[in-house]
Amino acid sequence: DAGVTQSPTHLIKTRGQQVTLRCSPKSGHDTVSWYQQALGQGPQFIFQYYEEEERQRGNFPDRFSGHQFPNYSSELNVNALLLGDSALYLCASSLAGAKNIQYFGAGTRLSVL
Amino acid sequence: KNQVEQSPQSLIILEGKNCTLQCNYTVSPFSNLRWYKQDTGRGPVSLTIMTFSENTKSNGRYTATLDADTKQSSLHITASQLSDSASYICVVSLAPSGGYNKLIFGAGTRLAVHP
Repeated sequence: DAGVTQSPTHLIKTRGQQVTLRCSPKSGHDTVSWYQQALGQGPQFIFQYYEEEERQRGNFPDRFSGHQFPNYSSELNVNALLLGDSALYLCASSLAGAKNIQYFGAGTRLSVL
Repeated sequence: KNQVEQSPQSLIILEGKNCTLQCNYTVSPFSNLRWYKQDTGRGPVSLTIMTFSENTKSNGRYTATLDADTKQSSLHITASQLSDSASYICVVSLAPSGGYNKLIFGAGTRLAVHP
């Protein structure tokens, strides 16, 4: 039973570029949440997808967008990258209605130069 | 404002010693509180989860306590090992609203266990 898998593990981009991060949820899970974690900080909620729709959104600009596919996998897209977007991006999956117990992937480390 | 504060920010202990990490929260309406362990560069892994009616939960050498009246939680690590070196994050879940349980994360306590 595979857990939450994220790809790629590391990524280097330059300012102004666009990036797409991918997440496959734990088997049986239908909800995917994305977080941004700066060095030395706790994760900050970006948004959550359920039934292919964005259900909740944190305090992030529209440059951050996402998508959920019929197989529950998800993508996080960030446009017009800024230096401050450098962080560990975490994906967490859960089963709707099950106390929202979230299982995290290993993350994608994004460096913007 | 919903907040989760953890202390200390960082901690160094010797292998074999015990330690206690603290978490204070101002979150309402409360649903549950979780402790996660996060190794450097990895995703958080759940250690314990406690609801309002539970005041202690153990997972091996990790024991979490919850005082819902004072809105405080602690994570006690017994007989520390080098592999306990990590960040420990306290997370409080709000009661569901619109089918969504919002999670409030603390900044974490960075623990270093030295031989």
